Amino acid sequence: EIALTQSPDTLSLSPGEGATLSCRAGQSVTNNYLAWYQQKPGLAPRLLIYGASSRAAGIPDRFSGSGSGTDFILTISRLEPEDSAVYYCQQYGTLRDTFGQGTKLEIK
Amino acid sequence: EVQMVQSGAEVKKPGESLSISCQGSGYSANYWITWVRQMPGKGLEWMGRIDPSDSYINYSPSFQGHVTISADKSTTTAYLQWSSLKASDTAMYYCARLGHCSSTSCYMDYWGQGTLVTVSS
Repeated sequence: EIALTQSPDTLSLSPGEGATLSCRAGQSVTNNYLAWYQQKPGLAPRLLIYGASSRAAGIPDRFSGSGSGTDFILTISRLEPEDSAVYYCQQYGTLRDTFGQGTKLEIK
Repeated sequence: EVQMVQSGAEVKKPGESLSISCQGSGYSANYWITWVRQMPGKGLEWMGRIDPSDSYINYSPSFQGHVTISADKSTTTAYLQWSSLKASDTAMYYCARLGHCSSTSCYMDYWGQGTLVTVSS
């Protein structure tokens, strides 16, 4: 089972700024099969990025993913108040999916 | 429009059994369905996945033996079942459709609204 560690645990930024969220895997993620999800309070998670860098349908281009192997990044540019949420990474390259513990993004 | 619709919230006592459901619609090809647990105030935990076309299942080792995943191919519905609930099963349970990947698993592209299960005496 591949462990995923996200950092930081919490990020507090202002509207208009950029955010960089990190996801580190305990071993190389097969084919860079890594996804990012956004979860707002009281709602189901929403797919943002798959395959480390492909945006899901309907996701604004302010959201971008990068990385390979064991180190992955979710970048959110020009932050908006609606971006306040918890962000999770997930690897799906093995028989057992795993999620990171999440990064809470606060827009102050 | 792809939709994953889950059954409603449940309140149960310890030791009782329970089955919750997730019905997919708006898509024609065979897609796996997965279950994810979220305990109160906590993160996401993958429980297992099922191929509704043949009911082939992969379980997370953390949940195998504690829950049963099943499916009805004719209605594209997946089920998550407990034979004897515990207070520690109190959580929100999400189902999600898996996309198509050249892997044993895939990203979760459409999610259900969640089913809140509360187990309390």
